[in-house]
Amino acid sequence: GEDVEQSLFLSVREGDSSVINCTYTDSSSTYLYWYKQEPGAGLQLLTYIFSNMDMKQDQRLTVLLNKKDKHLSLRIADTQTGDSAIYFCAETYDDYKLSFGAGTTVTVRA
Amino acid sequence: NAGVMQNPRHLVRRRGQEARLRCSPMKGHSHVYWYRQLPEEGLKFMVYLQKENIIDESGMPKERFSAEFPKEGPSILRIQQVVRGDSAAYFCASSPGPGGYTFGSGTRLTVV
Repeated sequence: GEDVEQSLFLSVREGDSSVINCTYTDSSSTYLYWYKQEPGAGLQLLTYIFSNMDMKQDQRLTVLLNKKDKHLSLRIADTQTGDSAIYFCAETYDDYKLSFGAGTTVTVRA
Repeated sequence: NAGVMQNPRHLVRRRGQEARLRCSPMKGHSHVYWYRQLPEEGLKFMVYLQKENIIDESGMPKERFSAEFPKEGPSILRIQQVVRGDSAAYFCASSPGPGGYTFGSGTRLTVV
């Protein structure tokens, strides 16, 4: 698979914005994804962005894609305690496979 | 429409035993993928199957691991003679075509 890098931890105060960053290597990736994993649970697809887009907004979530730098970010506005989870960035490769980062653990403090 | 169903949720096996993990895809989905998540790592691709066919097993360890998706019934990931290093979360995903996954909740295998 390809290499996807993420920072491991993020602590944010409730009500603030969270920004999770990711870098990837495969410039031919068609889609880039953000998944959320709560303790003991599976992966929930949060959002995705097509590689020819720069930005996608979906309610409290904003995805920014910088193809030149192969940098992807996820911004969560008005972060809530229910947003505490591990967030995975993933890119497609070989048409149907996903390469995941190690995940960013987001902790929301009151 | 139920999501991707995996069972068991948790599985404990002694070293040397066999582990069988089951995955029922979403209704209408004929493509199944298995991924493994080692502790504190992201998911790694293992195998891609369609009904009665293994399309891509490039991520499967060469020994002890096998997968099938029969014409009837769930997809099975089988691990023979388990070792401690097999302890991980195993996730199944399904799709109506290549890509576009929906993941199950995973099976957490612990080898003691």
